[in-house]
Amino acid sequence: GAVVSQHPSWVICKSGTSVKIECRSLDFQATTMFWYRQFPKQSLMLMATSNEGSKATYEQGVEKDKFLINHASLTLSTLTVTSAHPEDSSFYICSARGPTGSYEQYFGPGTRLTVT
Amino acid sequence: GNSVTQMEGPVTLSEEAFLTINCTYTATGYPSLFWYVQYPGEGLQLLLKATKADDKGSNKGFEATYRKETTSFHLEKGSVQVSDSAVYFCALSEAYNFNKFYFGSGTKLNVKP
Repeated sequence: GAVVSQHPSWVICKSGTSVKIECRSLDFQATTMFWYRQFPKQSLMLMATSNEGSKATYEQGVEKDKFLINHASLTLSTLTVTSAHPEDSSFYICSARGPTGSYEQYFGPGTRLTVT
Repeated sequence: GNSVTQMEGPVTLSEEAFLTINCTYTATGYPSLFWYVQYPGEGLQLLLKATKADDKGSNKGFEATYRKETTSFHLEKGSVQVSDSAVYFCALSEAYNFNKFYFGSGTKLNVKP
């Protein structure tokens, strides 16, 4: 149980275009989801926390107009990278908070974005 | 601020060897500490946790003890298997705020038959 999926697993896009990444909790409802970014050989950096039905909370230094997060349902959160540039190339990972009362986060397998 | 430092990899061991992956942390207050494991092509999975000083987390033969005096949470296993090959992440969450996790950079473990 507690499986989180991401789609796509990898994507290549051209500079200036936008790309959407989906994060789904497959067998539980997630009121809170998280988006992380990971650079090669570096730790995961929390970008934002999203709660179903409300605006996401972004970490300091993360451009909210560039990284649009929507958490429209209890099983789906999306991250849209707008007007992508090569420096946005990275590994994006989402996680979902477990059932009510659980502190554990369940992680998706990640999405590798390459901007050319 | 909060941060986690773990040893760089990759770590290469023969099957049945003893494993230690070092992890130290900096935090205010009394954080909770975690080890996550990421197998190839999969998401991070919680391996073990400890929520207060001197607690020992254990799972699947892995152990780690929350040492407040040395601010450490080293991961150990007495006899590794090829199936343990993965990337291991040490992490902390702030006391009473499990929403925010701070991760180490990950240590890749390769176990050879």
